Amino acid sequence: EAGVAQSPRYKIIEKRQSVAFWCNPISGHATLYWYQQILGQGPKLLIQFQNNGVVDDSQLPKDRFSAERLKGVDSTLKIQPAKLEDSAVYLCASSPISGYGYTFGSGTRLTVV
Amino acid sequence: GIQVEQSPPDLILQEGANSTLRCNFSDSVNNLQWFHQNPWGQLINLFYIPSGTKQNGRLSATTVATERYSLLYISSSQTTDSGVYFCAVDYQLIWGAGTKLIIKP
Repeated sequence: EAGVAQSPRYKIIEKRQSVAFWCNPISGHATLYWYQQILGQGPKLLIQFQNNGVVDDSQLPKDRFSAERLKGVDSTLKIQPAKLEDSAVYLCASSPISGYGYTFGSGTRLTVV
Repeated sequence: GIQVEQSPPDLILQEGANSTLRCNFSDSVNNLQWFHQNPWGQLINLFYIPSGTKQNGRLSATTVATERYSLLYISSSQTTDSGVYFCAVDYQLIWGAGTKLIIKP
């Protein structure tokens, strides 16, 4: 079974620029998550989708972050404009049901300079 | 909200040693999972263990829900066990800060 695919693997941008990350979950997984992991910390949930609907986005900084999951499959996470403190690894995960059976992608390491 | 504390924060062992990692949580939970993040950043789910004991090869985990803690045991450590071990609770996954484990050959 193919894993969770994420791209790009690395991204360096200047502050105030915009950036987008892409995630393709495991086929058939209804639930998709985006996490932010700052160096030395555990991941923090940004947004959770169930099919193409948002279940939880309480920790998503909505003034600069946005995410969508069109047709309940692929998802994109966008940051506009980026700040220095957005430097982190952005992890996508999917699961067949909410809260169980997680598979994580390799992540996108974002550096904002 | 629920607080998750992991100990120790860092652990350095020789290959072949055994280790015990602890996860304390501040309130009752209906979901607890252990994850391993390898040195390249890949996160792997080790156990789904809201209560009781499970074993998978050299790894085992025990959760005592009434006392709000979980333990992860690693026996006969190998260098490939190195990385960060995270405990996460509840269905939205509230994560601890992790235990960084280094296994020296």
